[in-house]
Amino acid sequence: DQQVKQNSPSLSVQEGRISILNCDYTNSMFDYFLWYKKYPAEGPTFLISISSIKDKNEDGRFTVFLNKSAKHLSLHIVPSQPGDSAVYFCAASSTYNTDKLIFGTGTRLQVFP
Amino acid sequence: EPEVTQTPSHQVTQMGQEVILRCVPISNHLYFYWYRQILGQKVEFLVSFYNNEISEKSEIFDDQFSVERPDGSNFTLKIRSTKLEDSAMYFCASRGRSTGELFFGEGSRLTVL
Repeated sequence: DQQVKQNSPSLSVQEGRISILNCDYTNSMFDYFLWYKKYPAEGPTFLISISSIKDKNEDGRFTVFLNKSAKHLSLHIVPSQPGDSAVYFCAASSTYNTDKLIFGTGTRLQVFP
Repeated sequence: EPEVTQTPSHQVTQMGQEVILRCVPISNHLYFYWYRQILGQKVEFLVSFYNNEISEKSEIFDDQFSVERPDGSNFTLKIRSTKLEDSAMYFCASRGRSTGELFFGEGSRLTVL
């Protein structure tokens, strides 16, 4: 039961351009969404989050957009840098059950010069 | 910056052996978690722990698994009799009372032969 889906396993972007990573969810009870970045042999690192009361949250080069009606969120990275190359996981939780995050399968982003 | 630390970084064990993975969460955090990631797959929730008891567990977290907070700082995951399919990266995470984001450790790689 994949409640959080990342349909693109990989994405390749040129340095300086925009990276857009997508995530879809099926559980309408989810109301808090997060993006994590993961390098090989390291734990996931929190990037940015958004509550369902908002449709956009921005932090430096990272912006997360939430479309509740479509049950879709996206992470925009602009400008992309080679150091952004990593696996990005979308995660979701419900205020009614904040004990766990449900992760997507991840998208491997490669930023090339 | 406070961080979650995990030991060992890598453990190799024979099938049927007991394994204990250790974690030191961030000191003022109250909620503790174990996740795992089988190679090439998504990060999966195992168990959450709050106020000295399990608050939620997944189907994966069967009778072979247990968690403990033996003192004020450590949080352990024990696998009583390891199976080949327990081979994975195990991530410990913690969060504070007022935030929704989990902070992850670097993981413990378990290899069951």
